[in-house]
Amino acid sequence: DTEVTQTPKHLVMGMTNKKSLKCEQHMGHRAMYWYKQKAKKPPELMFVYSYEKLSINESVPSRFSPECPNSSLLNLHLHALQPEDSALYLCASSQSLAGDYNEQFFGPGTRLTVL
Amino acid sequence: KNQVEQSPQSLIILEGKNCTLQCNYTVSPFSNLRWYKQDTGRGPVSLTIMTFSENTKSNGRYTATLDADTKQSSLHITASQLSDSASYICVVSSYNAGNMLTFGGGTRLMVKP
Repeated sequence: DTEVTQTPKHLVMGMTNKKSLKCEQHMGHRAMYWYKQKAKKPPELMFVYSYEKLSINESVPSRFSPECPNSSLLNLHLHALQPEDSALYLCASSQSLAGDYNEQFFGPGTRLTVL
Repeated sequence: KNQVEQSPQSLIILEGKNCTLQCNYTVSPFSNLRWYKQDTGRGPVSLTIMTFSENTKSNGRYTATLDADTKQSSLHITASQLSDSASYICVVSSYNAGNMLTFGGGTRLMVKP
């Protein structure tokens, strides 16, 4: 299995809602990432988990809360979001954070719209 | 500051024609360079990955080149197809900060019949 899956594909939420994005991989990768991508822009790194521990938080607002319950799963909990948080949220995984061929495999993304 | 610049920003070509996309980077220390294809609203899919010692790598109709001295890379697409319409993103990895990636702004390619 060389796939990263993300659910849901689309999500519409109000500013007072609480929702979660899910990401799963079964490639035995030990590093997992959350990116945010606005239209016509490259992905921006949000969080990095390495061996289920938060390794990097790129100064993301606390209304985004990541969670890595095990080596195959990565969640992003959303609360009190703003309309400007509407974007494509991408999950990625890699074997680890090190190595020349540390290729990141991306999921299909969740298209989030905040009303 | 690590940067990756791509050109052109957008490109329109006719089906069957070839095209070349450019990528210049100032990432240091360099680990590897990847080209991704991203369809609208989808996640990026890796086309090629090259380390410092590799000059050329092919994947079907896609051929990437790397000149580590001038810090330039190109992606050549041969005999373009309508399905090649997408954004092509050059991404450079650095040994610093856990091999984090620096993304270029992408080239939006449209192939017309």
